[in-house]
Amino acid sequence: ILNVEQSPQSLHVQEGDSTNFTCSFPSSNFYALHWYRWETAKSPEALFVMTLNGDEKKKGRISATLNTKEGYSYLYIKGSQPEDSATYLCAFNFGNEKLTFGTGTRLTIIP
Amino acid sequence: DSGVTQTPKHLITATGQRVTLRCSPRSGDLSVYWYQQSLDQGLQFLIQYYNGEERAKGNILERFSAQQFPDLHSELNLSSLELGDSALYFCASSLRPGGARTDTQYFGPGTRLTVL
Repeated sequence: ILNVEQSPQSLHVQEGDSTNFTCSFPSSNFYALHWYRWETAKSPEALFVMTLNGDEKKKGRISATLNTKEGYSYLYIKGSQPEDSATYLCAFNFGNEKLTFGTGTRLTIIP
Repeated sequence: DSGVTQTPKHLITATGQRVTLRCSPRSGDLSVYWYQQSLDQGLQFLIQYYNGEERAKGNILERFSAQQFPDLHSELNLSSLELGDSALYFCASSLRPGGARTDTQYFGPGTRLTVL
């Protein structure tokens, strides 16, 4: 069974602080890694698609890095704001037609 | 708003019944994916269609089936429903058939199914 693991499961961060969390995946057969943000009562929204070892992507205060050799990706949020509260999902593609999702990191920003 | 629509938003039914969930992909997208989100589980891939044909299958039960129509909308049929089928069912779409690799998948708002 090929698993995608995310840690921590949940996180409380003070407004204004920066934070990061991890997505771990099998380092063999890597094809692509996707990050999604899922706000309560909404649908998952794509943040990044990462394909190359060493990739770094950025969208506003959110950035992500990728290490395919050791099988992990980090998502960073700089200067957290209340609107960043959401569950952050990563999803791994093994070179086939489907995404395998992790269970997510639930981020709560404390005002 | 992702451009993917799903109906109904909520569905409450009894065990043993059959329901149909409907999804319309974003304009121009040819691939449709179905996912199930149960309590304490991650999004589980069920099935993918591309331009009317089944493209990939995940952990989809035999009691479940899907199809994609010529206008590209898709339906997920769930039959002989059990309590454990209660979940949030998402549809997503992407442009290309290999969309799971590098294309962004755009998710609909989901259908929450409750089986009593």
